[in-house]
Amino acid sequence: SQQGEEDPQALSIQEGENATMNCSYKTSINNLQWYRQNSGRGLVHLILIRSNEREKHSGRLRVTLDTSKKSSSLLITASRAADTASYFCATEGTGFQKLVFGTGTRLL
Amino acid sequence: EPEVTQTPSHQVTQMGQEVILRCVPISNHLYFYWYRQILGQKVEFLVSFYNNEISEKSEIFDDQFSVERPDGSNFTLKIRSTKLEDSAMYFCASSLGTAREKLFFGSGTQLSVL
Repeated sequence: SQQGEEDPQALSIQEGENATMNCSYKTSINNLQWYRQNSGRGLVHLILIRSNEREKHSGRLRVTLDTSKKSSSLLITASRAADTASYFCATEGTGFQKLVFGTGTRLL
Repeated sequence: EPEVTQTPSHQVTQMGQEVILRCVPISNHLYFYWYRQILGQKVEFLVSFYNNEISEKSEIFDDQFSVERPDGSNFTLKIRSTKLEDSAMYFCASSLGTAREKLFFGSGTQLSVL
């Protein structure tokens, strides 16, 4: 299975602190994406990192990718109450016709 | 910003009934998807659709499920005979390119089968 596994399952932090979420996956990938979901609503794309990239930034988001360890991390700096949501990593499946989502991290 | 729209937002049906979930993908997108999420659980892939045919489907997407793009704008998911375990939030998504590009998701249809 391509499915990613996020760690931790849940994370509770204070406003202003940094939040780090990790994702591990099982097979080779072309890219890895992070999505955010507010309270069972639709997923919103946050950032995409390609397999030949090691780090990417977007505003307060920093994503790293280690293809040798088949893992990625998402760092949200200076967190705000509005960052409360579930965060999912996703990788494309065989044939590139689907994204397979991980189990998600609930950030409070 | 363009968005994917889904209707209805909530659907309640009796077990055994047929339901059709509707989606309007972003107009210039070429790839369309259905995902579902049982409350509090992972987001599961159901089916992808490109060039008027199914490109990939999961084990969940059995003979009770079908998808259609009846015109140039709508993309529908039909469940022929609903079961209790079909109760979930169903998300439609679209993308300009393959799953190597980002997906745009609708807000979902909450399906409750009684």
